Amino acid sequence: TQLLEQSPQFLSIQEGENLTVYCNSSSVFSSLQWYRQEPGEGPVLLVTVVTGGEVKKLKRLTFQFGDARKDSSLHITAAQPGDTGLYLCAGDMYSPSTNFGNEKLTFGTGTRLTIIP
Amino acid sequence: EPEVTQTPSHQVTQMGQEVILRCVPISNHLYFYWYRQILGQKVEFLVSFYNNEISEKSEIFDDQFSVERPDGSNFTLKIRSTKLEDSAMYFCASSEWAPYSNQPQHFGDGTRLSIL
Repeated sequence: TQLLEQSPQFLSIQEGENLTVYCNSSSVFSSLQWYRQEPGEGPVLLVTVVTGGEVKKLKRLTFQFGDARKDSSLHITAAQPGDTGLYLCAGDMYSPSTNFGNEKLTFGTGTRLTIIP
Repeated sequence: EPEVTQTPSHQVTQMGQEVILRCVPISNHLYFYWYRQILGQKVEFLVSFYNNEISEKSEIFDDQFSVERPDGSNFTLKIRSTKLEDSAMYFCASSEWAPYSNQPQHFGDGTRLSIL
């Protein structure tokens, strides 16, 4: 069962174009984190979103957490070749019994983004 | 910026041998984790560790696996008798406070474990 599904799996676009990557689930998450992973390296944290509907911006990257905290999106404006990489979403599932997330991160399968100069 | 460091970067081991993967978490962090990523697959949670004991573990983390914080800085993952299917990238991560306070986890660059 894929708890976190990312789409598209692969995306190749021209420099200067805009793009959106999606992270969807049927489960509620206490928080959701976006990472970027380069080949042979560990995931590098980009942002954490916590509140339903929250929007965070990191230069040309805009992250949004769904109102129901089941999904998230990453929008990149005017993509540059330096944005090329594997983008991962990861969340800690909400536990109604504790009213918090649990400890483990559940990762999505990733979106491999290629920006063509 | 403080970072999680892992050694070695690549470990090659014969099947059936014991292997120890080492991690130095960020110094003021209190929660530590191990994840693994089999080639071409997604990152999977193995175990979390807090206050010198396992806090949560996955089904993958069976009796062949153990974790330890032998001193104030190192956090280790031991696999007692390695199997071919243990070949993967192993990532260590740490977070400042308990995850339920929504503190993000910071990852090391991983150890590539190859079982022959």
